[in-house]
Amino acid sequence: EPEVTQTPSHQVTQMGQEVILRCVPISNHLYFYWYRQILGQKVEFLVSFYNNEISEKSEIFDDQFSVERPDGSNFTLKIRSTKLEDSAMYFCASRAGQFLGTQYFGPGTRLTVL
Amino acid sequence: AQSVTQLDSQVPVFEEAPVELRCNYSSSVSVYLFWYVQYPNQGLQLLLKYLSGSTLVKGINGFEAEFNKSQTSFHLRKPSVHISDTAEYFCAVSRMDSSYKLIFGSGTRLLVRP
Repeated sequence: EPEVTQTPSHQVTQMGQEVILRCVPISNHLYFYWYRQILGQKVEFLVSFYNNEISEKSEIFDDQFSVERPDGSNFTLKIRSTKLEDSAMYFCASRAGQFLGTQYFGPGTRLTVL
Repeated sequence: AQSVTQLDSQVPVFEEAPVELRCNYSSSVSVYLFWYVQYPNQGLQLLLKYLSGSTLVKGINGFEAEFNKSQTSFHLRKPSVHISDTAEYFCAVSRMDSSYKLIFGSGTRLLVRP
């Protein structure tokens, strides 16, 4: 069964460093998402991406964040200068594109900013 | 804006007993409703969803949920739980818009004891 994969599973970085979180969505899917979950809090929407552009973003998704689909298979989330409060589990999801198709989630990347 | 409330952070239950996980939502527009499950060290997996039609929705692993518009609720039920149902359960809503982003509740940990 096709699945969404994410790498790395755990990333530790120093405050102020740039990190790139990688996702490989399901191959025929057209819509892509990033969510995050700070420990003990809700899963929060960050950004959605379709047709090589951002279709919606939340207030959390400020200028420090960017997304890219560089090669037609990977979908990346970049944080330019990490802050302590960026420590969270980051989930990637993808959707085929039919009317309200199911969003399929990856296992997540745990980001720890020291 | 939409919001989702899961009042129970943890629900302990004995194996083979019935369980109900509560979910209430708030929205000024019509929404679609979802339940996701997260097993340890895994991503979010869709249990079931309500889009329209019959208010009783059946999902995987013997779970079902009932949409109640007047009470703005979408409670999840299972008549007889197994040890393997131990997991975190998330209720989520989505409105019809360009991105179909999911708005999650804070989650309920179901702990099934032998």
